[in-house]
Amino acid sequence: GEDVEQSLFLSVREGDSSVINCTYTDSSSTYLYWYKQEPGAGLQLLTYIFSNMDMKQDQRLTVLLNKKDKHLSLRIADTQTGDSAIYFCAEKGDTNAGKSTFGDGTTLTVKP
Amino acid sequence: NAGVTQTPKFQVLKTGQSMTLQCAQDMNHEYMSWYRQDPGMGLRLIHYSVGAGITDQGEVPNGYNVSRSTTEDFPLRLLSAAPSQTSVYFCASSKEKGTTEQYFGPGTRLTVT
Repeated sequence: GEDVEQSLFLSVREGDSSVINCTYTDSSSTYLYWYKQEPGAGLQLLTYIFSNMDMKQDQRLTVLLNKKDKHLSLRIADTQTGDSAIYFCAEKGDTNAGKSTFGDGTTLTVKP
Repeated sequence: NAGVTQTPKFQVLKTGQSMTLQCAQDMNHEYMSWYRQDPGMGLRLIHYSVGAGITDQGEVPNGYNVSRSTTEDFPLRLLSAAPSQTSVYFCASSKEKGTTEQYFGPGTRLTVT
């Protein structure tokens, strides 16, 4: 079945850039997402990219997709302490009605 | 819109007890899902529904039942709680197949002793 993998932890200093990486196995993935989960809360969609794109920029967030290597990354520029959270990569094929496969999440810690 | 709501926020059960976790959405979304979140295991899909009257199993369905009698509600039933079901449960909904986003509820933290 589909699998999504991420590294579990990342620590950066405030003001640096953060890069969170994700790999997936389903070559039919149509949508790739990044969700953010703050402590004690549910997941919120940060950004997404369609599989026919290779880059998407949204303010401080840049998503890069290498479809050949099935590799997705999320870059957060000028990381702030408020960015500390768990970040989940997720993928969904066009036929997977409402279902997404999630990675285990990367815990980002931003040190002042 | 309230979005996706879940009740209760916290629950403690004894082994063997049954209970229902409630989930409701007011966005007229067709698709609803239940996930459990465990440390180091990310989100795992328990059951999902593509519309009223239709449900299907996800990755870890054993020990759970669901029903979808209305578009708005998607309750998750634990038939006989076990300590292995101690987890945080999230309900999510999305508008349609291929949509860009799932909307998540705030979660229910369940402890089974």
